[in-house]
Amino acid sequence: GAVVSQHPSWVICKSGTSVKIECRSLDFQATTMFWYRQFPKQSLMLMATSNEGSKATYEQGVEKDKFLINHASLTLSTLTVTSAHPEDSSFYICSASGTIYNEQFFGPGTRLTVL
Amino acid sequence: KQEVTQIPAALSVPEGENLVLNCSFTDSAIYNLQWFRQDPGKGLTSLLLIQSSQREQTSGRLNASLDKSSGRSTLYIAASQPGDSATYLCAVSRSYNTDKLIFGTGTRLQVFP
Repeated sequence: GAVVSQHPSWVICKSGTSVKIECRSLDFQATTMFWYRQFPKQSLMLMATSNEGSKATYEQGVEKDKFLINHASLTLSTLTVTSAHPEDSSFYICSASGTIYNEQFFGPGTRLTVL
Repeated sequence: KQEVTQIPAALSVPEGENLVLNCSFTDSAIYNLQWFRQDPGKGLTSLLLIQSSQREQTSGRLNASLDKSSGRSTLYIAASQPGDSATYLCAVSRSYNTDKLIFGTGTRLQVFP
């Protein structure tokens, strides 16, 4: 199966700072990448969908100016949490899909803690 | 709006038991259904993917069935082991892999020796 990586695996930051999370497809070209958020003991909620070279499509209730998504290449998407606050502390997971595989492949997740 | 529910929310069983985890979805117009495993603090591991035209998929001790018309799927785990302890999530997709997955609420499974 295809491999998706995320970096960093965990990050702690101060309130008000910005944090960038990377999602990479290591062995396939990802035409679409998805960003999910998971709060403790809850399921995954989709935040946004990004297609390579296009603007991301955000789910209802997700602030696009706060969660900046860039999908500049077929192997890399980034999620930047701007002016992070403690309520943004969560587990962020990306997934990627391409033309070869008929499913999404998930990254290992990034644990964000905002102090 | 698609809603995905999983029952039970939590399950604790002794080693060796055969288990059935349930997943139901409100909109039967799905493209595929997928079962995942998630260990605490970790990402997702895909277990089985069933296309809407299929009835079941098997992998080792796992068997997943799909009844699209009734909006149900079951994950059967045979001869459970402590290493099976994890949260199991089902998710449905409305169309091809470029569409979002709608996740269920999850079943937290604990298998004790």
